[in-house]
This record gives sequence, structure tokens and C-alpha cells, in this order.
Amino acid sequence: LAKTTQPISMDSYEGQEVNITCSHNNIATNDYITWYQQFPSQGPRFIIQGYKTKVTNEVASLFIPADRKSSTLSLPRVSLSDTAVYYCLVGDSNNDMRFGAGTRLTVKP
Amino acid sequence: EAGVTQFPSHSVIEKGQTVTLRCDPISGHDNLYWYRRVMGKEIKFLLHFVKESKQDESGMPNNRFLAERTGGTYSTLKVQPAELEDSGVYFCASSQDVPGAFDNEKLFFGSGTQLSVL
Repeated sequence: LAKTTQPISMDSYEGQEVNITCSHNNIATNDYITWYQQFPSQGPRFIIQGYKTKVTNEVASLFIPADRKSSTLSLPRVSLSDTAVYYCLVGDSNNDMRFGAGTRLTVKP
Repeated sequence: EAGVTQFPSHSVIEKGQTVTLRCDPISGHDNLYWYRRVMGKEIKFLLHFVKESKQDESGMPNNRFLAERTGGTYSTLKVQPAELEDSGVYFCASSQDVPGAFDNEKLFFGSGTQLSVL
């Protein structure tokens, strides 16, 4: 299994850029990296997915170095509503998607 | 398109009773997952169905938990008898293909069932 490691928590202020890094040293060749966001009392929600280099969508960017042993989720200009838990997942050969502890992001005014 | 739906949204039962949670995945999604979050801790994987077959049930805590997926459509998770430590939020997720192994494949989650065992 490709285990992931993330910081437990992060604090930021409105308008700042937030970067959350996830380590996945045992990532397999065919695995994609996916990030999810979870608000209290809701199920996780897909944010972004990538395989290598950089991926950008309307809400975030994902940076993946050449060795793919880590990835960084970048949230531009966060707002209070971005306060949530962010999870990094890596697909594995057994096809069972396991979550790590996630990173609890708190955005302050 | 309807999302993943879970029923009930909340359940309060006494220790020793039985509870059955239901998950209706997105139509056409072969992969169905059950997860549990206990007391604000990390989300724990319970098991994974591919159609009606259990692909991996290594996360099931003990034999008081029974999951089924009749005909490869909806799934149920039964806890019998329930214990205090079973309290938590149970999430169901589905995907068409294997998330993480195919480009742009992802898990779609339901809103969860909050289970309280008193």
C-alpha cells in the first residue's frame, strides 16, 4: 500500500495561498494522486487529481515532482469557507482507497 | 444525476441492538466502498465491493459487522450486536472504475450515517 503522510494541521489567513504537502514514498508506477476536501457533517469531496508535473483546475493546483514521492496541493487566496480537512490519497494495486489522517486547515479572518 | 445516497442520516440505538445502514451508489458504479470515522479521527477503510463481490474486507473491525451488496446495486452494512465503540459516522463511496489507477477517476461520497450507540 502506498501510505501517505501529511501535516496534522495548518493555519492560514484569508487571501493567502496555502500549500499542503503529502509524502507518498512507495507510490507505484501506475498510481494517480488524488486530493479530497471534507467539511464537518459531510462526506469527502474530490478536489483534484494528477499523475505528474502540474495540474490546475478552477479550485486548486497540484504539483508533483519528477520522482512522484510527494505532491503539493496549492489553494490560491483561501477564504473562510476553505476551512476543512484535506486528504491525499494514492491509488494502489489492491484498489482499496485508504485515507490518511488528513490535514486540518483553519482559515482565519 | 443522483449522487450517492445513504440512509438513515442519523441512528441512535442501544448497546446490543441491531442497526442496518444502506447505501445507494451512483447508477452504473461497480465499485462501492464503506468507511467509518470515529470520534473525529481519521477516516478508516472498511471494505470494497466490485459489483456484488467483496474485493477487500480487511478493514472490517470484527464479525459483528456484515456488509452485503445484492445484485451489485445498493449495499447494506449491518452491525449486530452494536457496541459503544461502534459509534461514529459511516460513509459510503462509489466509483465507476478504480479510483487512482485511471485518469480522472474519483470517489463520490454520500453524506454519511451518524451512528450513536448508547
